[in-house]
Amino acid sequence: NAGVTQTPKFQVLKTGQSMTLQCAQDMNHEYMSWYRQDPGMGLRLIHYSVGAGITDQGEVPNGYNVSRSTTEDFPLRLLSAAPSQTSVYFCASTARAGNTIYFGEGSWLTVV
Amino acid sequence: RKEVEQDPGPFNVPEGATVAFNCTYSNSASQSFFWYRQDCRKEPKLLMSVYSSGNEDGRFTAQLNRASQYISLLIRDSKLSDSATYLCVPWPGGGADGLTFGKGTHLIIQP
Repeated sequence: NAGVTQTPKFQVLKTGQSMTLQCAQDMNHEYMSWYRQDPGMGLRLIHYSVGAGITDQGEVPNGYNVSRSTTEDFPLRLLSAAPSQTSVYFCASTARAGNTIYFGEGSWLTVV
Repeated sequence: RKEVEQDPGPFNVPEGATVAFNCTYSNSASQSFFWYRQDCRKEPKLLMSVYSSGNEDGRFTAQLNRASQYISLLIRDSKLSDSATYLCVPWPGGGADGLTFGKGTHLIIQP
């Protein structure tokens, strides 16, 4: 059972570079979301989507873009990487509001 | 008031003891609550769902206090393997419905 799949698992970027973190789910979930987790800060919501073609900002959206062209995929784009974006990123999905949230295994990003 | 508040800990507890910690929520309309467990450097996974006044699953009991707007998680006969961070999610929550987590409570079970 694949569930939520994130790639890459590890990435090192130089300041100013751009990249895309990929996220795919095979559970036909309507809701998908991206979080970042820093020591002592807990999971902070970056962007989320309640269905294909619909995205919205979470708590910390600056410096990130998302799109949701299909139900399965929800990529997160870093436009111009900064050291402050060094973090662990989790993608998640859920069938609808108030249901169990399933997470990917995380992507470790270091910006130097 | 923050949407979800949890005591970050760490709670250092001897093996075999009972430990409890709370999650305070701001939305009085919250009906369902979810406790997630996150091991170090791993993704969060669902531990327990609470749809009424509480829920019990083995050594784990969740109790809801609607008047004071908090939900507690009690762990009996704690095991070394219970060491983790425990995250709370209420639904409906505030902004991003059902997607906002508390910072979590870090639990360390000591031998």
